[in-house]
Amino acid sequence: GAVVSQHPSRVICKSGTSVKIECRSLDFQATTMFWYRQFPKQSLMLMATSNEGSKATYEQGVEKDKFLINHASLTLSTLTVTSAHPEDSSFYICSARDEEEGTDTEAFFGQGTRLTVV
Amino acid sequence: GQNIDQPTEMTATEGAIVQINCTYQTSGFNGLFWYQQHAGEAPTFLSYNVLDGLEEKGRFSSFLSRSKGYSYLLLKELQMKDSASYLCAAVDSNYQLIWGAGTKLIIKP
Repeated sequence: GAVVSQHPSRVICKSGTSVKIECRSLDFQATTMFWYRQFPKQSLMLMATSNEGSKATYEQGVEKDKFLINHASLTLSTLTVTSAHPEDSSFYICSARDEEEGTDTEAFFGQGTRLTVV
Repeated sequence: GQNIDQPTEMTATEGAIVQINCTYQTSGFNGLFWYQQHAGEAPTFLSYNVLDGLEEKGRFSSFLSRSKGYSYLLLKELQMKDSASYLCAAVDSNYQLIWGAGTKLIIKP
């Protein structure tokens, strides 16, 4: 089945620095990828929809200048958490669908990135 | 607004059967997914329903009633490894996934 690879799986960074998270679709092309954030014991919260070749669509309340999304190719989307603060510590997950298989196909998730800001 | 409701937590016994319910209200409907998520890991796909009825896949089955805005996930012959959160997600008219908060399933010996 389709595979989505996310890197890194864990990262610890100092407050004020930036962290880049990569999401790759390994065996299919994805014009759209989704970035989620998940707090402990809570469900996935959609942060933004990443669109290849155009600007990302951010959900209400998500700061686009803080969470920079770049979708430069059909297989790669990146999320950069800029000037990270401890409250940005969370589990970030990307997902994508193999759109050639139709709109009723499952979303494939990356492995997730556990970000800890100290 | 769009809303997905599922119980926060359920407890069941190893070897037993458990049913996790999900009700949804979305603008348009294009199917419903169930995912399993172990702590600290990404969700993994379990099932997809778009037509009314029961879909069986091994120990897991999923049911959908579009007229009632209702789905359930049925887990049989429970094993300890089934302890996880189970996420219900409905697909709206824009083909966006609307996620429930997840049901934490605790399996006891």
